[in-house]
Parts: sequence; C-alpha cells; structure tokens
Amino acid sequence: KNEVEQSPQNLTAQEGEFITINCSYSVGISALHWLQQHPGGGIVSLFMLSSGKKKHGRLIATINIQEKHSSLHITASHPRDSAVYICAAIRNTDKLIFGTGTRLQVFP
Amino acid sequence: GAGVSQTPSNKVTEKGKYVELRCDPISGHTALYWYRQSLGQGPEFLIYFQGTGAADDSGLPNDRFFAVRPEGSVSTLKIQRTERGDSAVYLCASSADRDGGYTFGSGTRLTVV
Repeated sequence: KNEVEQSPQNLTAQEGEFITINCSYSVGISALHWLQQHPGGGIVSLFMLSSGKKKHGRLIATINIQEKHSSLHITASHPRDSAVYICAAIRNTDKLIFGTGTRLQVFP
Repeated sequence: GAGVSQTPSNKVTEKGKYVELRCDPISGHTALYWYRQSLGQGPEFLIYFQGTGAADDSGLPNDRFFAVRPEGSVSTLKIQRTERGDSAVYLCASSADRDGGYTFGSGTRLTVV
C-alpha cells in the first residue's frame, strides 16, 4: 500500500463543473503539497499547506491533519485545468512522498 | 536565476554510456532535491542536499547513481553504465528552507537506447 493515496486516478468533467480530488496519507507529515503537471510539462507547485485551507483563484486546498486527508477543489473548471494533479507529503526528513496522481480532463 | 534550470532538457544515450544531468536551483535555495519520474507514475525520491552535503541519499537505486553539489548551488546527477530501465524524466527541485515551498525544474528526459 502506498504511503500517499489519491483518488480518483482518472477524472473527466464538463467545463464549469466543480471538481474534487482526494489525498490520504498514512505517515506523519509536516506539510503537504498539491502539484500540477501538464502533459509534457514540468511540475508546478499549487499549494503547500500544513493545516486548514488555502485558496488561489479557482483552486481551494484543504487538509485535516487528524484524519490524514487533504482535498483539492477546482471551481468552475475549464479545459485548461486538464492536467495531472499530484499530492505530495513532506516527511520530517524533508523529502516528498508522492501520490500516483489524478489525471483530469475537462471538456468544453 | 528566476527558476530552477535543468540541462539538458532531453538526452538520448546508448546503453552502457555515462551521463550527467545538471540542475541550477534558485539562487539562495539551500535545499535541493532530485526525483525520477517514469512514464505514467508519480515522481520518486532520489537524493536530497542541504547545502553541499547529501542529507538523504536513500532513494538512489544503486551505486551507478551519484550526485554532487560541491559549492552548495549547482548539482550534477551522474549515472554510470546506463541501462534501459534508467529511462525517465529526472526532476530537480529546490527550496529555501524546511518550511518553504518547492520549485521544480522542467526536468531532463533521459532515454537509454
């Protein structure tokens, strides 16, 4: 079992839909990253959070440390949001433990 | 620089050859990380530098892999006697400190033929 699990693995949505991607982890962490990777592109850090909730534009990330769970929400989704979204847990040793990613496709 | 720079962006090499991959982190970032991402999978940790020293090299798959960061800025990942299974995108990331966010480079796509 992976230390960081994401669901769903694949997600298809119509433009405008509200999207939720979930991340659960089984290890102690100091913080968690949400990352975005477009096809053939590099990795972009969207959020780093250790508690509560962060918002940036149409993106919202939440984390519940007690439940070892985080969610990434996208409001009013757009085709340009199509990408792989990866959650990565930061262990105390500072290295990232990556989830396997969620491939999102948003159709017009 | 403004971001994390990795060179080359693409490298094709023959099985058995030696390759070097370079990472130029954001100026002033003391922490530097190497990850490897195989097709269809999430990145996996290789090695982490704090300053010039390797603080954690537990992710290096075997002794064909080695990385250095002699002056605490640019890092080079070195792979000896490359194998086809080494083909992947090698990602570098840097961070200002333990509580800072990570900035990733665009990666080096290594193909061993």
